[in-house]
Amino acid sequence: QQQVKQSPQSLIVQKGGISIINCAYENTAFDYFPWYQQFPGKGPALLIAIRPDVSEKKEGRFTISFNKSAKQFSLHIMDSQPGDSATYFCAASPRGAQKLVFGQGTRLTINP
Amino acid sequence: GAVVSQHPSWVICKSGTSVKIECRSLDFQATTMFWYRQFPKQSLMLMATSNEGSKATYEQGVEKDKFLINHASLTLSTLTVTSAHPEDSSFYICSANEWGETQYFGPGTRLLVL
Repeated sequence: QQQVKQSPQSLIVQKGGISIINCAYENTAFDYFPWYQQFPGKGPALLIAIRPDVSEKKEGRFTISFNKSAKQFSLHIMDSQPGDSATYFCAASPRGAQKLVFGQGTRLTINP
Repeated sequence: GAVVSQHPSWVICKSGTSVKIECRSLDFQATTMFWYRQFPKQSLMLMATSNEGSKATYEQGVEKDKFLINHASLTLSTLTVTSAHPEDSSFYICSANEWGETQYFGPGTRLLVL
């Protein structure tokens, strides 16, 4: 019940296209959902985060869509660029807790 | 803002020696720091959670005596891998948060035990 399931494991998108990564969870106590971007050999960097009281949050080319009833959330990267090629992790944190539960990661490749 | 540093960025040591990794929050006071381990092409595995001035809370399966964590101040936490063996070779990443749930990650430390 503590798991966050992320898909796909890897994704190839053409430059300018939309990259979509999905995550699903079971624990209804989760109420904070961040996305992290990680380049090889580097630590993860926070991209964007959302809480269940909103269905969508947009920051630049990055959008989180949240479906509370389905217990799913997704990351959309608009106008994908080669520089977006990285591994993306979704995560979730229970209400009142600080520990993050991470998804398995998605390796995104943007072809020029 | 919200910068976390780690030192060293990489370390090579002989089997049986101990290695200390530092994690610092540079521009904020971290109420909580976390230590993760990451194997190639895998997700982050939480090892322990530490709060300043108190004992760390280790995740199930993580050996407390093997991975010593000290959180001496609101800006510094250290992870010591004691009597390191080749199977301890990994990428170790710390994170810190100031308040709430947002965790800011350090750049990671790559450990290679020969």
